[in-house]
Amino acid sequence: KAGVTQTPRYLIKTRGQQVTLSCSPISGHRSVSWYQQTPGQGLQFLFEYFSETQRNKGNFPGRFSGRQFSNSRSEMNVSTLELGDSALYLCASRSDIRTGTYEQYFGPGTRLTVT
Amino acid sequence: SQELEQSPQSLIVQEGKNLTINCTSSKTLYGLYWYKQKYGEGLIFLMMLQKGGEEKSHEKITAKLDEKKQQSSLHITASQPSHAGIYLCGADRDYGGSQGNLIFGKGTKLSVKP
Repeated sequence: KAGVTQTPRYLIKTRGQQVTLSCSPISGHRSVSWYQQTPGQGLQFLFEYFSETQRNKGNFPGRFSGRQFSNSRSEMNVSTLELGDSALYLCASRSDIRTGTYEQYFGPGTRLTVT
Repeated sequence: SQELEQSPQSLIVQEGKNLTINCTSSKTLYGLYWYKQKYGEGLIFLMMLQKGGEEKSHEKITAKLDEKKQQSSLHITASQPSHAGIYLCGADRDYGGSQGNLIFGKGTKLSVKP
């Protein structure tokens, strides 16, 4: 099976712009989570989607949003970019918990630099 | 809120030596994950532990979850340069891991000297 894929791998944006990141989960996985990783704060949970519904949200401002499509692919959007949004954004997918499998697999990440 | 503390923060070992990384939780762990990360890259899934006393091994890496489910250790036997990287422990925020929401420790940076 192909792993979690994320596009693009690298992005450079200017303050005030917006950005959309994409994630394709492992085939058959319906849960997609997004994380932000920075040197100062480490890995922090952004939100999780399951069957096109946001199930949980981390402590981030409303500028951070996401969605999930019927094929489980997910996008996250950051509007009005700030310098502090520079980070590695990681997507992770997980199989349906009803199967009893909980492993969460991560993609390679998107490195966002805001100038 | 639950926190995960990893120790040590960094580790330099000679190739061939054994090493242990610890992950301690302030609350009961319902699911404990170990990942490895190369700088600036994604997380590679190593192992997941759920039951107190559980132990899993993959190649030269063994992870254990203690009986009280508040601490896990990752042990590498006969370390190799390929083991170098950042090791992260993560835990489910809630029972059953139904929310896909993990909290993570700050990571342990491992360097292996040839």
